[in-house]
Amino acid sequence: EKVMTQSPATLSVSPGERVTLSCMASESIGTNLAWYQQKPGQAPRLLIYDASTRATDIPVRFSGSGSGTEFTLTISSLQAEDFAVYYCQQYANWITFGQGTRLDI
Amino acid sequence: QVQLQESGPGLVKPSQTLSLTCTVSGGSVSSGDYYWAWIRQPPGRSPEWLSYIFSAGSTYYNPSLKSRLSASMDKPKNQFSLSLTSVTELDTALYYCATIQFGRGRYLQNWGQGTLVSVSS
Repeated sequence: EKVMTQSPATLSVSPGERVTLSCMASESIGTNLAWYQQKPGQAPRLLIYDASTRATDIPVRFSGSGSGTEFTLTISSLQAEDFAVYYCQQYANWITFGQGTRLDI
Repeated sequence: QVQLQESGPGLVKPSQTLSLTCTVSGGSVSSGDYYWAWIRQPPGRSPEWLSYIFSAGSTYYNPSLKSRLSASMDKPKNQFSLSLTSVTELDTALYYCATIQFGRGRYLQNWGQGTLVSVSS
């Protein structure tokens, strides 16, 4: 099983800041990686797939990069609605999720 | 845009079988456009993929739960379902259904709102 490790677990940030979230795979997954945003009481929402492609209607302030075992999600300028939990998910071998990073004000 | 709505029992007793159904609108489970997936999320934890099924009948299961899972489709009702046998308190979670677009990577595009299942005697 490919284990996904996200860091940090929690990040305290302010609106307007640039934020980078990390996701590491236990072994190479190529670019078979997605990022999701989850707000309280809601289902996860697909942000990024294939490591760097924004999903439909996702604002350009969200960007993804990386390949192999190291990946990042960058939010260029945090908006109030971006405070949420973010998960990475690999799909190179079945499907596994990271444990999430919570963005707190 | 495909929309998904989960339904489930709410409360299940330990050792019983959990049965879930996802009703699809805005698309057809018979179309071949998607894999139809199940994911669960225990309270305060990250999601866990359970299964996905294709219109031709192919089924795929999380290896760690494969012996307890069974997925199926009801094409006339435009629904797909999942059964989980021998449940314990560890199976308490919010259960989601979702779509995976056929021919693309196995990322989850559209999600239902989830149905909460508690396992308790």
